[in-house]
Formats: sequence, C-alpha cells, structure tokens
Amino acid sequence: DQQVKQNSPSLSVQEGRISILNCDYTNSMFDYFLWYKKYPAEGPTFLISISSIKDKNEDGRFTVFLNKSAKHLSLHIVPSQPGDSAVYFCAASKFNNDMRFGAGTRLTVKP
Amino acid sequence: ETGVTQTPRHLVMGMTNKKSLKCEQHLGHNAMYWYKQSAKKPLELMFVYSLEERVENNSVPSRFSPECPNSSHLFLHLHTLQPEDSALYLCASSQGTGGRHEQYFGPGTRLTVT
Repeated sequence: DQQVKQNSPSLSVQEGRISILNCDYTNSMFDYFLWYKKYPAEGPTFLISISSIKDKNEDGRFTVFLNKSAKHLSLHIVPSQPGDSAVYFCAASKFNNDMRFGAGTRLTVKP
Repeated sequence: ETGVTQTPRHLVMGMTNKKSLKCEQHLGHNAMYWYKQSAKKPLELMFVYSLEERVENNSVPSRFSPECPNSSHLFLHLHTLQPEDSALYLCASSQGTGGRHEQYFGPGTRLTVT
C-alpha cells in the first residue's frame, strides 16, 4: 500500500526557471512532511519540512506548500541551478510513527 | 559527510552465501534504521532500532537478520538471498524515533544477488 506517491518519475527544467515537484498522500493522519534530496552514490539528505498546521514553509530558494484538503504537497525551487539536479523524495509521517517515502522524482536542471 | 557510514559500498553474492552489511553513526543518535530501495520504488522501511531494541519489523523475510550491538552500530546479516533482493540498502539514524526527527542517511550498500 503506497501511501505517499510521486507520480512524475522525472522532471527537466532550464537553469534559472522554477522547478515544481509534486507529492500526493492517501493517509489523512499524516501530519508532518519532509523532502529529501539524493545525489548518485550518496544517501538522501534532508532538505525541508512542513507541519500540517502550516500551509507553506520557505528556506532560501526552496519552498514547500501543503494542501491538506487535497492531500497534496509540492516543492518549489526558484531559481533552479544545475547543482539541484538530483532525485527528490517526499516523505510523510504521523506523530510517533515512522516516515513513509515516495518513489522519488529525478530533477535535471539544464544549463 | 553525513556522519553515517556503511560498508561495504558494493556487494555481489550468490544465493547460498552469507554476508553482513555494517552501518556506523557518529552523531550520538539513539535510533537506527534499515531501508531497502529498489529501482523506481519508494524507500521501504525494514527495521527500526531505538536504544538498541528493535521497535519495528515490517514483515521482512527471515533471510534478513538485523543486529544492533550498541547505539552506534547496526548490522544486517544476509543469508540465502534471492535475486529479487538485489537493491540499494540504506542505513539511517535519528535523535529519536517517530516522524518528527530528521533522519541522516548513509551512502548505502549496492547489493547484487546472482
């Protein structure tokens, strides 16, 4: 049962433009959401998170938006840079329960 | 450098072999995890250890056997694996269990079962 879904396996964006990565979840009990970034030959690294009491969290070029009614979150990267090329994983959790991850979206930022 | 190391980085083993994966965290965390990542699939949580006690086992076949001798080390013992077990095995650690704690991942062990 895949509770966290990233329906786009890949995304290609021009340098300087906005990258939008999407994530949907099915379990309405999830109340904390995270994005991880993974380069080849490295483990995922934490990027940004958001609690269900918020609908937006911003950290520099990265902003996560949460739409609880739609059970949807998105990660915006503005402006996109070639170094942002990586696989991005969405994760969701319930308090005192462990995270559930999506399958990832491979972002390619072209110079 | 994330503070979580895994060895070996690559492993090829036959179905009758026995091998072990090792994970070590240098972050002072008290929770450790094993994940399996197969191509184009979500990270699958296999085992969770908190303060050296196993707190979660997600219906993992018995051919995978975890061991946590202390809060800094985690092993995954492998025996009589199947080709479908070929995947990237990731270790992670966090300050506590539960979804509020950011997890720090190691680089993974790429396992190929022939």
